[in-house]
Amino acid sequence: DTEVTQTPKHLVMGMTNKKSLKCEQHMGHRAMYWYKQKAKKPPELMFVYSYEKLSINESVPSRFSPECPNSSLLNLHLHALQPEDSALYLCASSQGQATNEKLFFGSGTQLSVL
Amino acid sequence: AQSVTQLGSHVSVSEGALVLLRCNYSSSVPPYLFWYVQYPNQGLQLLLKYTTGATLVKGINGFEAEFKKSETSFHLTKPSAHMSDAAEYFCAVRNNFGNEKLTFGTGTRLTIIP
Repeated sequence: DTEVTQTPKHLVMGMTNKKSLKCEQHMGHRAMYWYKQKAKKPPELMFVYSYEKLSINESVPSRFSPECPNSSLLNLHLHALQPEDSALYLCASSQGQATNEKLFFGSGTQLSVL
Repeated sequence: AQSVTQLGSHVSVSEGALVLLRCNYSSSVPPYLFWYVQYPNQGLQLLLKYTTGATLVKGINGFEAEFKKSETSFHLTKPSAHMSDAAEYFCAVRNNFGNEKLTFGTGTRLTIIP
């Protein structure tokens, strides 16, 4: 199994809603990532978890709250988002955090904030 | 600091013609370089990577890239374009230095003309 699975594929939410994005991998990878990608732009790193501990937070607003319950799962909790947060949210994983490692990406969750 | 510059946000080639996507990097230490491809409504998939050793790197789907230190370039090529190559292509760099994150270029959209 070489897949990173993200759910849901599409999400529409209001600014007062609370929702969660989920990501799962069963490749035994110990590093997991959240990226945000606006239309026609490259992905921007948000968070990195290494061995289930948050190792990088790219100064992301607190309305985004990551969680890594175990080595296979990564969640992104959303609360009080703004319309400008509408984007494709990509999850990725890698064997470790070594700089030459390949990232495996999920297909993403397309988020629309109304 | 590290960065990559992709020349040409949009490239069109005829089916069967040579594909050339340009990428130049800036790095204060020897870089690790990557090409990722993103098909519509999908996550990113690694095409190939350069870490050390042979400067001509072969990847999936007939793509290859050559690391040229003197030109600080890592251009992606494919001898004969296929309709299925239509996608967004991202060059990325990551330094072999501590815990640096993967930095993406702005992307090149490849269109194949029948």
